[in-house]
Amino acid sequence: GEDVEQSLFLSVREGDSSVINCTYTDSSSTYLYWYKQEPGAGLQLLTYIFSNMDMKQDQRLTVLLNKKDKHLSLRIADTQTGDSAIYFCAERGYGGSQGNLIFGKGTKLSVKP
Amino acid sequence: SQTIHQWPATLVQPVGSPLSLECTVEGTSNPNLYWYRQAAGRGLQLLFYSVGIGQISSEVPQNLSASRPQDRQFILSSKKLLLSDSGFYLCAWNLKGPTEAFFGQGTRLTVV
Repeated sequence: GEDVEQSLFLSVREGDSSVINCTYTDSSSTYLYWYKQEPGAGLQLLTYIFSNMDMKQDQRLTVLLNKKDKHLSLRIADTQTGDSAIYFCAERGYGGSQGNLIFGKGTKLSVKP
Repeated sequence: SQTIHQWPATLVQPVGSPLSLECTVEGTSNPNLYWYRQAAGRGLQLLFYSVGIGQISSEVPQNLSASRPQDRQFILSSKKLLLSDSGFYLCAWNLKGPTEAFFGQGTRLTVV
């Protein structure tokens, strides 16, 4: 079945780069997403990448996709304390659930000053 | 522009009481609608999704039910809450096809 895996925690110092990794299983995934959840709030889409791309850059965010290994990563450059949040990787395929999003458990990013 | 409204933001209910959480979407038509639950320390779990009025699919067996009485309204219900129903409930929508989902602000449910 479809599954998305992420490490649960990441701690970095302010100003360093953060790299959050994700693996997925559905090879038919067309889009892969990164969402950010701040405490007590809903999820906010950060960025997404189409499955025929290897890399996408958006200001401080860089998404890398290795389709062969089914590995997705999110790099945040110059990490700030405001980046502290839970980051969810999600895939959307055309599996049995008619294309619903499958989420990982989320990576809690802690940024130390 | 499209918006999604979810209420209430927080709710404390006793065990055995009923539940009704409501979600409405504005500015779009015929969206896919979703209810997710996020238990403490865990990731998102898809509970229900709907591709149209009256069409509900359940992802996990549970004490909850969902209904879609109108195109842009999605309701999560329970007849009798259990302690294990506590969590953060998120409503989301997206369009048909490979597009991202948009989330409501969530409802923090505590069953006591």
